[in-house]
Amino acid sequence: SQTIHQWPATLVQPVGSPLSLECTVEGTSNPNLYWYRQAAGRGLQLLFYSVGIGQISSEVPQNLSASRPQDRQFILSSKKLLLSDSGFYLCAWNSLTQGGSGANVLTFGAGSRLTVL
Amino acid sequence: AQTVTQSQPEMSVQEAETVTLSCTYDTSESNYYLFWYKQPPSRQMILVIRQEAYKQQNATENRFSVNFQKAAKSFSLKISDSQLGDTAMYFCAFMSNYGQNFVFGPGTRLSVLP
Repeated sequence: SQTIHQWPATLVQPVGSPLSLECTVEGTSNPNLYWYRQAAGRGLQLLFYSVGIGQISSEVPQNLSASRPQDRQFILSSKKLLLSDSGFYLCAWNSLTQGGSGANVLTFGAGSRLTVL
Repeated sequence: AQTVTQSQPEMSVQEAETVTLSCTYDTSESNYYLFWYKQPPSRQMILVIRQEAYKQQNATENRFSVNFQKAAKSFSLKISDSQLGDTAMYFCAFMSNYGQNFVFGPGTRLSVLP
C-alpha cells in the first residue's frame, strides 16, 4: 500500500531564516506531487506541483521554491522566511495511472505547521 | 479555468440529524472527477467520497452520499445520522480527467452539536 510522509510536523523559525520541508511517498512510482498552503481557517492554496523528477510548476509567485530530486521526494524551501510564510503546509500525491477506487484520488500527508516569528 | 464554490461558510446540525452541504462548480469539460474532503481539528485531509462525472449513479459511502447534478454543475454532500466526529471543515474539489490540478472550494465548517 502507498504511504506519504511529511516532516517536520511543527516548525518555529525566525524571519530571514531558511526553510526546508520534506515529503516522501512510498509504494508507488512516478506520482504527481503537490505542495499546498493553508492559512488558519481558510482554504487550500496550491503552491507547486510536479509530474516528474526536476519538473516543477509554480502556481503562485512567492518567497518559496520546490524541488524534486528523486521520483518520490518533494522538497519545499525558502532562503529567507517572511512573516507571511506562516501557515499549514500540506504535501499530497496522486497518480493518473493508479487503478481501482484509488485512481485520481489526492492523498495528503499529515501537514507541517510553520510559525515565522 | 475551473472554479468551485461552497456558499455555506458555516453550518451546524444536531447529533443524529441529517445535513446537506452545497457545492457548485464551473467547467467546460465533460469528463472529470469530484471529491469531498474532510479536515477535522487535527488538520489531516481525509477523502470522504468521490464521484466520476461519467457515472450517473450517485456515490455513497456509509452515512455519506452525494447528489450529483451534472447539468446544473452541482455536487452536494449529505451526511446522515450525524456524529460528533463529523465536526470538521469540508472541502469540495474538482479534478479534470486530463490534468493534474485539483481545484478546491473555500470550505464549509460543520459543527455537530450534542
